Amino acid sequence: QSVLTQPPSVSGAPGQRVTISCVGSRSNIGAGYEVHWYQQFQDEAPKRLIYGSSNRPSGVPDRFSASKSGTSASLDIAGLQAEDGAVYYCQSFDSSLSAWLFGGGTRLTVL
Amino acid sequence: QVQLQQWGAGLLKPSETLSLTCTVHDGSFSGHHYWTWIRKSPGRGLEWVGEIHDGGRSLYNPSLKSRVSMSADTSQSHFSLTLTSVTAADTAVYYCARISYGDYFYGMDVWGPGTSVTVSS
Repeated sequence: QSVLTQPPSVSGAPGQRVTISCVGSRSNIGAGYEVHWYQQFQDEAPKRLIYGSSNRPSGVPDRFSASKSGTSASLDIAGLQAEDGAVYYCQSFDSSLSAWLFGGGTRLTVL
Repeated sequence: QVQLQQWGAGLLKPSETLSLTCTVHDGSFSGHHYWTWIRKSPGRGLEWVGEIHDGGRSLYNPSLKSRVSMSADTSQSHFSLTLTSVTAADTAVYYCARISYGDYFYGMDVWGPGTSVTVSS
């Protein structure tokens, strides 16, 4: 069981907005460690989508945004497109475990 | 543009040792980077295996710590993963990746293509 908790799935129609939550604890997100988000398509390597809790690497559309507050973080995807259908993972460092953690992943289905 | 190329045996028997290597192409192996391994088991999410700095410092997933080791060869710009006494639970796609950092960690910004490893008798 992941120490970072994500909903297993979310869905939305094209053009809509969805939010994926990532709930941590005082030893990871709540301790001030940054949250990173990754997008993974079937049979492909993950791709960094957001780093430092809210920063987009070059090439990532501004439809993707993220934030962090307290012991949680969230990824927002606006103006859903069919090609956004993928699994999204949050990641942070845990000081109690001295380990990088991934959330369990959230499968986004574009209806 | 930095690229990671990885290789290693894809089929192992229980109790054997998994060995994978990842080469860094067109980029600096040394500097503000950690080099890491992540795996994805069938039907499960991503799991961090461990990381190593070019200076030799390493950190491993506590759940694998007794069986995992990593090494880095700066002259060859590659790093390696060794996982001993494998079982079916170690069946996964293993990815190598780069963690960049500055004022803080910037996440895993470059990924290898993945190597599928199956453990079966």
